Amino acid sequence: EAQVTQNPRYLITVTGKKLTVTCSQNMNHEYMSWYRQDPGLGLRQIYYSMNVEVTDKGDVPEGYKVSRKEKRNFPLILESPSPNQTSLYFCASRQQTSTDTQYFGPGTRLTVL
Amino acid sequence: QKEVEQNSGPLSVPEGAIASLNCTYSDRGSQSFFWYRQYSGKSPELIMFIYSNGDKEDGRFTAQLNKASQYVSLLIRDSQPSDSATYLCAVMSDYKLSFGAGTTVTVRA
Repeated sequence: EAQVTQNPRYLITVTGKKLTVTCSQNMNHEYMSWYRQDPGLGLRQIYYSMNVEVTDKGDVPEGYKVSRKEKRNFPLILESPSPNQTSLYFCASRQQTSTDTQYFGPGTRLTVL
Repeated sequence: QKEVEQNSGPLSVPEGAIASLNCTYSDRGSQSFFWYRQYSGKSPELIMFIYSNGDKEDGRFTAQLNKASQYVSLLIRDSQPSDSATYLCAVMSDYKLSFGAGTTVTVRA
């Protein structure tokens, strides 16, 4: 089954404790990205990757890091989480073409105390 | 100016009626346009995409695109309670997919 998976699905942590949210896709997609979703603000892109070892900032990259060492995986790293990073996070992937459908992971609800 | 703007809603329609959702975008060079449905706490799922001016129908859904007016819409005919969700308009420009804030639709029985 074609899918994007994320782990963990739910996470409660404390300020400053480093965490990683994993993302994996099995569709051999070149393009992967991370979004956060907050009430009234919609989906905002954090980082994206157009292929292995190629990453770039999205609209709200501050406080986040990513890596793309393998085509299927695109982890999101919060080195020192803060309460304003409490949000619902989605990983997504698609082929590189501009017309291709983008598939979303199930989401990770993060709470930073 | 936001890249993609939608009616904030909420939009309440009676069961069986037509729900009309609107979206405008700022980049005239945008190439493709998508409508996603999102249930509360769930991930967005694609329901329609459209690339060319005009109408595109898929079951009870019709997407309409007018590139000259930078406007895309979604009509939901014969609305059902299961259509109650937030609908996200997404616009592709230079490989970047930008989303509107979404319109929440409630279909009342």
